[in-house]
Amino acid sequence: AAGVIQSPRHLIKEKRETATLKCYPIPRHDTVYWYQQGPGQDPQFLISFYEKMQSDKGSIPDRFSAQQFSDYHSELNMSSLELGDSALYFCASRALSGGQQETQYFGPGTRLLVL
Amino acid sequence: GEDVEQSLFLSVREGDSSVINCTYTDSSSTYLYWYKQEPGAGLQLLTYIFSNMDMKQDQRLTVLLNKKDKHLSLRIADTQTGDSAIYFCAGGYSSASKIIFGSGTRLSIRP
Repeated sequence: AAGVIQSPRHLIKEKRETATLKCYPIPRHDTVYWYQQGPGQDPQFLISFYEKMQSDKGSIPDRFSAQQFSDYHSELNMSSLELGDSALYFCASRALSGGQQETQYFGPGTRLLVL
Repeated sequence: GEDVEQSLFLSVREGDSSVINCTYTDSSSTYLYWYKQEPGAGLQLLTYIFSNMDMKQDQRLTVLLNKKDKHLSLRIADTQTGDSAIYFCAGGYSSASKIIFGSGTRLSIRP
């Protein structure tokens, strides 16, 4: 079965650079979630989108922005990168039409290292 | 908001049962999850339970929910070396809402 695809899987950037992480949800999934997991930390919710509209916002820095496109894929744009942005970034997707039985499916994550 | 707490470490002998405990603060969490994360890997959903359930069993996994005490546990029967990982307890208000994760319990297996 198709899973959530994230690209790139690994990314190395320098401070003050920008990065764009991409997430391709499972086909027919209309909701996308972004989470950030710092080293040794638990995943923290950043932001979510449903039908291309932001549906919820968590602890996402102002330097970050995200959007969902008409094909439901999502991009997380990160600017003025800081050392503390080094983390594993997960995307999850869900089909809202799936009802209460439907859970979020997580992608493999993008590991970002800021030097 | 929701706060989820777990003990950080658990060590068990291979073949024994592992019990990982979790407490949460927000009683309006209707979905309670257990995720497994192996080193350098992603999040694997092991199982979840609705808040109107007391117990759920899935092969070697048993989840117990004490809603009164806001306590959730995951029991892994016949623990194997492949069960070594970090286990995250997590909760959500609905299946569509953001998931709040606990700090994770690192399970290590000794021979």
